[in-house]
Amino acid sequence: KNEVEQSPQNLTAQEGEFITINCSYSVGISALHWLQQHPGGGIVSLFMLSSGKKKHGRLIATINIQEKHSSLHITASHPRDSAVYICAVSNTGTASKLTFGTGTRLQVTL
Amino acid sequence: DAGITQSPRHKVTETGTPVTLRCHQTENHRYMYWYRQDPGHGLRLIHYSYGVKDTDKGEVSDGYSVSRSKTEDFLLTLESATSSQTSVYFCAIRGGQGTMNTEAFFGQGTRLTVV
Repeated sequence: KNEVEQSPQNLTAQEGEFITINCSYSVGISALHWLQQHPGGGIVSLFMLSSGKKKHGRLIATINIQEKHSSLHITASHPRDSAVYICAVSNTGTASKLTFGTGTRLQVTL
Repeated sequence: DAGITQSPRHKVTETGTPVTLRCHQTENHRYMYWYRQDPGHGLRLIHYSYGVKDTDKGEVSDGYSVSRSKTEDFLLTLESATSSQTSVYFCAIRGGQGTMNTEAFFGQGTRLTVV
C-alpha cells in the first residue's frame, strides 16, 4: 500500500463545476503539499499546510490530521485548471523528504 | 518563481554512456533533491543533499550518483545509462530561511531518453 493515496485518479468536469480531489496518507507528517503540473510542464507548489484550511483564489485546501486526510477543492472550475494535481507529504525525520501520490488528472471542458 | 534551473532540458543518449544532469539554484536553500517521474508512479526520490558535500540515497538510487560541491549546484550522474533510466527528472529545493519545513520548488524537468 502506498503511503500517499489520491482519489480519483482521473476526473472530468464541466466549466463552472465544484471539484474535490482527495488525499489520504498513512505516515506521520510535518506538512502536506498540494502541487500542480500542467501537461509537459513543470511542477508548481499550490499549498503547504499542517493544519486547518488555506485558500488562494478559487483553490481551497483542507487537512484533518486525526483522520490523515486532505482535500483540494476548486470552485468555479475553468479549462485552464486542467492539469495533474499531486499530493505530497513531508515525512517527519531528517531532510523532510517528500513522498508523493500518483496524481489526479483533471480535465475541465467547456 | 524560485530561481531553480535544470540543464539540459532534453537529452537523448546511448546505452552505456555516462550522463550528467545539472540543477542550479539562486535561492540559497539548504536541501536539494533529485526525483524521477514515470507513468504510474509518483515522483520517486533518487538522491538528496542536506548541505555542501552532504548527500544521501533515496528509494531508487541504484545506477545514479550525485555531487554537491557548492550550495547552488547539485549534479546527478548516470554512471552508465540504461533504457530503464529513460524518464523525466526533476530537481527540487527546500529549506529557505534556515528551516527545513518549507514549500518545495521544482525545476522545469529534464526529459532523458536512453536508446
